[in-house]
Amino acid sequence: SAVISQKPSRDICQRGTSLTIQCQVDSQVTMMFWYRQQPGQSLTLIATANQGSEATYESGFVIDKFPISRPNLTFSTLTVSNMSPEDSSIYLCSVVGGVGQPQHFGDGTRLSIL
Amino acid sequence: QKEVEQNSGPLSVPEGAIASLNCTYSDRGSQSFFWYRQYSGKSPELIMSIYSNGDKEDGRFTAQLNKASQYVSLLIRDSQPSDSATYLCAPTGQLTFGSGTQLTVLP
Repeated sequence: SAVISQKPSRDICQRGTSLTIQCQVDSQVTMMFWYRQQPGQSLTLIATANQGSEATYESGFVIDKFPISRPNLTFSTLTVSNMSPEDSSIYLCSVVGGVGQPQHFGDGTRLSIL
Repeated sequence: QKEVEQNSGPLSVPEGAIASLNCTYSDRGSQSFFWYRQYSGKSPELIMSIYSNGDKEDGRFTAQLNKASQYVSLLIRDSQPSDSATYLCAPTGQLTFGSGTQLTVLP
């Protein structure tokens, strides 16, 4: 399965700032996704990262708050903009190698906003 | 949206017992399923894939898919405390996850 490197693994940020999370895969993958998970809660899909075009956002998530890039088949970034304490969460990227294949998740980024 | 119902648990079993985790689904078009395990504070990891009707065994884990009855299950034999985690099932292509089944194996 793909090896996924997600950076940073954790960060503590000030209110109002922005943080960019990177997701690097060691092989080309068909699909890349970004999730958020609050402690003790289930995974919430933020968006599908589309190569070379705008991401597809789920209800409740907007591009201005969570801009996403995917310049190629192995790399994506998620930015959490103008952060507030409510954005404190674990952010995960996941990839699907091809049609019918399972998701594989990065180790996540634990984000705390002061 | 593919609908999957998972026995919500939490489920507790003694060490050495068989843990049975079940999912039912409504989309008859679902062809294959994945089981993920998520330890507390960790990301989900794939533990089993099942692509056809019947059983698939991998060590202490057996996945079962019954398309006629529209359920998929995961059996963990000789359960160990290290199996304590949340287990998620998902059909191919499903991007949303429910809360899963929280399993605790008691020493």
